[in-house]
Amino acid sequence: GAVVSQHPSRVICKSGTSVKIECRSLDFQATTMFWYRQFPKQSLMLMATSNEGSKATYEQGVEKDKFLINHASLTLSTLTVTSAHPEDSSFYICSARSYSSGNSYNEQFFGPGTRLTVL
Amino acid sequence: KNQVEQSPQSLIILEGKNCTLQCNYTVSPFSNLRWYKQDTGRGPVSLTIMTFSENTKSNGRYTATLDADTKQSSLHITASQLSDSASYICVVSSFSGGYNKLIFGAGTRLAVHP
Repeated sequence: GAVVSQHPSRVICKSGTSVKIECRSLDFQATTMFWYRQFPKQSLMLMATSNEGSKATYEQGVEKDKFLINHASLTLSTLTVTSAHPEDSSFYICSARSYSSGNSYNEQFFGPGTRLTVL
Repeated sequence: KNQVEQSPQSLIILEGKNCTLQCNYTVSPFSNLRWYKQDTGRGPVSLTIMTFSENTKSNGRYTATLDADTKQSSLHITASQLSDSASYICVVSSFSGGYNKLIFGAGTRLAVHP
């Protein structure tokens, strides 16, 4: 149980285009989803937190107009990188959390990540 | 400032050997501490989660310890296998302002050689 998927796993795009990444919780309802970015040999950096049906909360320094997050359902959140630049090339990882009696540790379950390369 | 520091930064061991990874944290308030394994190009996978009242927790060949007084944790890997080669990330959860925040360590990159 507690499986989170991401699509696509890899994407290459041209500078100036937009890219959408999907994050799905496959076997549980995720009241909250998180988006992280990870540069080579560095740890995960939280970009934003999204609760189903409400606007995302962005971390300091993350441009909300550039990284559009939608959490329209309890099993799906999307991250759209708009007008992508080469410096946006990174590994994007989502995680999902559900508030349930079985999740007493408030655990987040991570997706497998999406490698974005902007040319 | 909430911080999680891990050591060593990287480690090479021979297959079959044991190793111990360290994690020191200055996070308040403390909720729980997690160890994750992250294979290259993949998302983190949870190994153990411990609250302040749990001193040790095992998951197969992985054993984590927690000393909430000294704010230190360790992850011990027994009889290492080639598949243990990965980054191991220590993450401390802090519940504040009505929500849970994860503070990530930079990770220890473990390479297991035959």
